[in-house]
Amino acid sequence: QKEVEQNSGPLSVPEGAIASLNCTYSDRGSQSFFWYRQYSGKSPELIMFIYSNGDKEDGRFTAQLNKASQYVSLLIRDSQPSDSATYLCAVYSGYSTLTFGKGTMLLVSP
Amino acid sequence: NAGVTQTPKFQVLKTGQSMTLQCAQDMNHNSMYWYRQDPGMGLRLIYYSASEGTTDKGEVPNGYNVSRLNKREFSLRLESAAPSQTSVYFCASSAALSGGYTFGSGTRLTVV
Repeated sequence: QKEVEQNSGPLSVPEGAIASLNCTYSDRGSQSFFWYRQYSGKSPELIMFIYSNGDKEDGRFTAQLNKASQYVSLLIRDSQPSDSATYLCAVYSGYSTLTFGKGTMLLVSP
Repeated sequence: NAGVTQTPKFQVLKTGQSMTLQCAQDMNHNSMYWYRQDPGMGLRLIYYSASEGTTDKGEVPNGYNVSRLNKREFSLRLESAAPSQTSVYFCASSAALSGGYTFGSGTRLTVV
């Protein structure tokens, strides 16, 4: 059973701070890793994906992957109240499907 | 560009009734998926279709059936609805898993 674990939160940060969201996965053979953002009552939307160890940056977002530790994280710099949402980590381990974590709720206070 | 379109957006059913959730994508994606999302449970895969003409069970297929009607459309059918099927249902599609999924806007289903 492939598992993806996330702290449910909420993670509370002040506006302008760095938010750090973490995810661990059980399948050492996992190949691709995704971060989705889901606003309350809305559908998930893809923020970033990462395949290789190290960091990948896109604007205020940085994804970090450490396959040896089976750990992937998402950093949000200069957090804004509009970043308040639930962030879902998803892992591709083959068989054409993604396994999702339960998500971490982020609250950014003005 | 509509992306992934789901209908209906909201539905209330009585126990034992049947219904079909419709999903269509206009991105020429090969793979399509049905997930349900419940509080505290996250997104759980019901069924998926890796390519036109194929369907496979996911984590929670009991009580559901699917049809991949063509490359664009993938429907989910509840033959005899139960209160345990009260949930938000999301359809998604992907060209290849390397690009992740695109989700529809969801169907909020209540079974009373």
